[in-house]
Amino acid sequence: DVKVTQSSRYLVKRTGEKVFLECVQDMDHENMFWYRQDPGLGLRLIYFSYDVKMKEKGDIPEGYSVSREKKERFSLILESASTNQTSMYLCASSLYGGGIYEQYFGPGTRLTVT
Amino acid sequence: AQSVTQLDSQVPVFEEAPVELRCNYSSSVSVYLFWYVQYPNQGLQLLLKYLSGSTLVKGINGFEAEFNKSQTSFHLRKPSVHISDTAEYFCAVSGLHGGSEKLVFGKGTKLTVNP
Repeated sequence: DVKVTQSSRYLVKRTGEKVFLECVQDMDHENMFWYRQDPGLGLRLIYFSYDVKMKEKGDIPEGYSVSREKKERFSLILESASTNQTSMYLCASSLYGGGIYEQYFGPGTRLTVT
Repeated sequence: AQSVTQLDSQVPVFEEAPVELRCNYSSSVSVYLFWYVQYPNQGLQLLLKYLSGSTLVKGINGFEAEFNKSQTSFHLRKPSVHISDTAEYFCAVSGLHGGSEKLVFGKGTKLTVNP
């Protein structure tokens, strides 16, 4: 079974802090994704990566950056957290193109910025 | 811009009743279509997908969906629901602008199955 793990289920941070969300997949998938999920808005893509050290902006990249130094790990970074970044963050991976191949999701990190 | 519309944000039904969750997309080119489900406190998992071929697609847990190109719809159906089907369901589409790297998700439909 594919497993996608996220470093924390719940996280509380203060405004202005630098925040790291970590995601690890164990199936040698090429593509990895970070989404943000808000009630009534569905999932919105923040960034994705199709190879090590490669990244592409999604629909809402402002205020976020990412890092993929190893194939299995994809990190989301909030350089200076703000209250409007309070949300559920979901990581996903897919073998190849995430628009054709199944995406496998982690359980999510609920981030609260106070 | 591409978009996916899930016409109902909440659908309450009684156990063993049939259900249809509606999804429409906007595109004039070929698309790939998906339904994902999110059970409480979990990530999403794939229910079914349409890439090509037969327009009636069967998925896990007794769900099926029909691709209708003329109506640009991909509605999800189940003839008899169980309490355990209570979850949020997301329709998603890709390939709208020729890209197969990412999905565009709808806003979700919360299905509540009551005893």
